Amino acid sequence: QVQLVESGGGVVQPGRSLRLSCAASGFTFSKYGMHWVRQAPGKGLEWVAVILYDGSNEYYLDSVKARFTISRDNSKNTLYLQMNSLRAEDTAVYYCAKDLGERWLQFSFDYWGQGSLVTVSS
Amino acid sequence: DIQVTQSPSSLSASVGDRVTITCRASQRITNSLNWYQQKPGKAPKLLIYTASNLQSGVPSRFSGSGSGTDFSLTISSVQPEDIATYFCQQSHSAPRTFGQGTKLEIK
Repeated sequence: QVQLVESGGGVVQPGRSLRLSCAASGFTFSKYGMHWVRQAPGKGLEWVAVILYDGSNEYYLDSVKARFTISRDNSKNTLYLQMNSLRAEDTAVYYCAKDLGERWLQFSFDYWGQGSLVTVSS
Repeated sequence: DIQVTQSPSSLSASVGDRVTITCRASQRITNSLNWYQQKPGKAPKLLIYTASNLQSGVPSRFSGSGSGTDFSLTISSVQPEDIATYFCQQSHSAPRTFGQGTKLEIK
């Protein structure tokens, strides 16, 4: 069965960095685009970033562009989100999510991890 | 950015009721609309993709319809386990955006 397990969340001061990881299993990781989606406490969902199945391209939400970097290691079945220059408004549960489409992005998220809480506070 | 507006923001239904949640996009998005269910403290779960396709393993009491700007999610007979918040999401244009959510409670 498909499993996505995030790690790396925690409390960090504004302006500092944090890296999230998402370990994938139960499917051929190298065939699917992967996303990060976040949810601020008590709020709705916000798509953050996507990386293509082969890592050849990435797309970002404008508010995180130039601060966040999505990457993947297909040999380790692992997705990453490097978050720099963190702001209070980045506080959220961060979910990794698998794209429904094989190789080509559909931007439909058929499997989600359990989420990793990132709190940006001094 | 394409805005997606859900209504109602909350609703209360009895077991066995038929309920409908609607989602309106600020511009035409063909059939590029997905529906998710999120139970408290859990990750979202995909219910319906491209407006009307039932995701594998999802009970058939869930259905989706619509195209263009107006979409709906219907639960034909609400069950106690359907207590959750439901989100629509447009997959048509960047940035892919979600509705604000509809919280379903059981009377």
